[in-house]
Amino acid sequence: KAGVTQTPRYLIKTRGQQVTLSCSPISGHRSVSWYQQTPGQGLQFLFEYFSETQRNKGNFPGRFSGRQFSNSRSEMNVSTLELGDSALYLCASSLKRLAGFETQYFGPGTRLLVL
Amino acid sequence: QKEVEQDPGPLSVPEGAIVSLNCTYSNSAFQYFMWYRQYSRKGPELLMYTYSSGNKEDGRFTAQVDKSSKYISLFIRDSQPSDSATYLCAMGQGGSEKLVFGKGTKLTVNP
Repeated sequence: KAGVTQTPRYLIKTRGQQVTLSCSPISGHRSVSWYQQTPGQGLQFLFEYFSETQRNKGNFPGRFSGRQFSNSRSEMNVSTLELGDSALYLCASSLKRLAGFETQYFGPGTRLLVL
Repeated sequence: QKEVEQDPGPLSVPEGAIVSLNCTYSNSAFQYFMWYRQYSRKGPELLMYTYSSGNKEDGRFTAQVDKSSKYISLFIRDSQPSDSATYLCAMGQGGSEKLVFGKGTKLTVNP
């Protein structure tokens, strides 16, 4: 079974631009979560999507947004990029049954550099 | 106070040593406790998870959770150079996919 895939793997943008990152979950997984990883703050939760609806949101400004498609694939968008947005953006997917713990499987991440 | 605190290390040990990694947390609502391993340039990989207090063993790895002290540990026995990675603790509440991570401890096992 293929793992979580993320595209692109590396990206260089300049301040003020916007960027869209893509995540394809493991086949059959319905929940997709996004995290930002930086050396200073570590891994921080951005948001979670399930059945095309945002279920949870972390403490990030409105410049960070996302969506999920009917095939569970997800995209996240960052508008008006700032230098501090340089980070590894990780996507994780899980089966999301009704209750209890679901193992989250992470993709390799997209490394974004903002100049 | 951060929700999850983890000593960033770095930690350097000789091959065969027992490694102890720890996290403390402040949110008593956490029910699920996980350890992830992250190699350089890779995404985190789930190593162990524990529900509520107790111990769990898987091969060379043992996870412990003490909810009364808000303290979790990961022990690695007979450590190998291939164990060299960053170890992240993570915690979650039931019904939510949101995980709160520690900042990670970088471990190097020297041959």
